[in-house]
Amino acid sequence: SAVISQKPSRDICQRGTSLTIQCQVDSQVTMMFWYRQQPGQSLTLIATANQGSEATYESGFVIDKFPISRPNLTFSTLTVSNMSPEDSSIYLCSVEDAGYEQYFGPGTRLTVT
Amino acid sequence: LAKTTQPISMDSYEGQEVNITCSHNNIATNDYITWYQQFPSQGPRFIIQGYKTKVTNEVASLFIPADRKSSTLSLPRVSLSDTAVYYCLVGDLNNHKLSFGAGTTVTVRA
Repeated sequence: SAVISQKPSRDICQRGTSLTIQCQVDSQVTMMFWYRQQPGQSLTLIATANQGSEATYESGFVIDKFPISRPNLTFSTLTVSNMSPEDSSIYLCSVEDAGYEQYFGPGTRLTVT
Repeated sequence: LAKTTQPISMDSYEGQEVNITCSHNNIATNDYITWYQQFPSQGPRFIIQGYKTKVTNEVASLFIPADRKSSTLSLPRVSLSDTAVYYCLVGDLNNHKLSFGAGTTVTVRA
């Protein structure tokens, strides 16, 4: 299993600003994912971030709004740019092990005012 | 990705067995069935995964009939701490992408 930490755990931001969320894994993993969970909703995949390649985004998510970095096999960042209240959500990262299980971080609760 | 349908909510009492059925009529040959559990303010946690027949681990059992158009997650002797949202996911493992539906909110009462 993998242990994942995220920073910050929560933040309150003003509209128009950007926030970078960090995801740290305790082991080297190839595949890392970023999800969004809006209040009272299920999880939606934002993008897949594999080390050594550009992140691939799901429909409805674009790099200009959610730039992702994956500098090594244990770390990734997701930036939420030019935030609006509609971006208020929980943002989670996950990694997949060789057995196709995904392990999730605790999430970052973002509130945009 | 195959669409899944599961009950929105279920209530149970401590010590009872909880069975959550998920429908996935358009499941593909390469698709596996995976269940995740999510507690409030936490990320989802893998529970169990299977392809056909029955899979059991220390947490739950997964029953999959021969036609694979549905599956049932069985939680034996639930406790208050099993109160959570349970998600049924169906997909090709080589796709690596998880598609979460609405999930089933299970509430266990004393």
